[in-house]
Amino acid sequence: DTEVTQTPKHLVMGMTNKKSLKCEQHMGHRAMYWYKQKAKKPPELMFVYSYEKLSINESVPSRFSPECPNSSLLNLHLHALQPEDSALYLCASSQGLAGYNEQFFGPGTRLTVL
Amino acid sequence: AQSVTQLGSHVSVSEGALVLLRCNYSSSVPPYLFWYVQYPNQGLQLLLKYTTGATLVKGINGFEAEFKKSETSFHLTKPSAHMSDAAEYFCAVGAYGGSQGNLIFGKGTKLSVKP
Repeated sequence: DTEVTQTPKHLVMGMTNKKSLKCEQHMGHRAMYWYKQKAKKPPELMFVYSYEKLSINESVPSRFSPECPNSSLLNLHLHALQPEDSALYLCASSQGLAGYNEQFFGPGTRLTVL
Repeated sequence: AQSVTQLGSHVSVSEGALVLLRCNYSSSVPPYLFWYVQYPNQGLQLLLKYTTGATLVKGINGFEAEFKKSETSFHLTKPSAHMSDAAEYFCAVGAYGGSQGNLIFGKGTKLSVKP
């Protein structure tokens, strides 16, 4: 299984809502990532987990809260988002953090904040 | 610091023509280089990667790239474009040291294929 899955595919939420994005991989990878991608832009790294511990937090606002319950799962909890947070949220995984490891991306969750 | 520059935000070719997407990198250490493709409303898919060894790298869907250290380039080519190649293409370098785990992306090149 060489797939990263993400749910939901689409999400519309109000600024007062709480929602979660989910990501799963069964490749035995020990590093997992959250990216945010705006239209016509490259992905921007948000968080990196290595061996289920937060390794990198790219100064992301606290309204985004990551969680790694186990080595296969990665969640992104959303609360009090702003309209400018509307974007494609991508999850990825890799064997490890070393720069030669390719990252495998999921299909993304299209988030719209009203 | 490492960086990637993709020349041309939009490239248009005719079906059957050569595809050439340009990528130049900056790195103080030997780079790990990647090309990803993104179709509309989808995630990124790895086309090919260079880590060490052979400088001509073959990838999926008939794409290949050549690592040229002297030119700090890693251009992506395909001999004959197909309509299904229309997509956004990103060149990336794997970060070192404290930023390990980070992929540094170029701004992307949108490839259009005319019938």
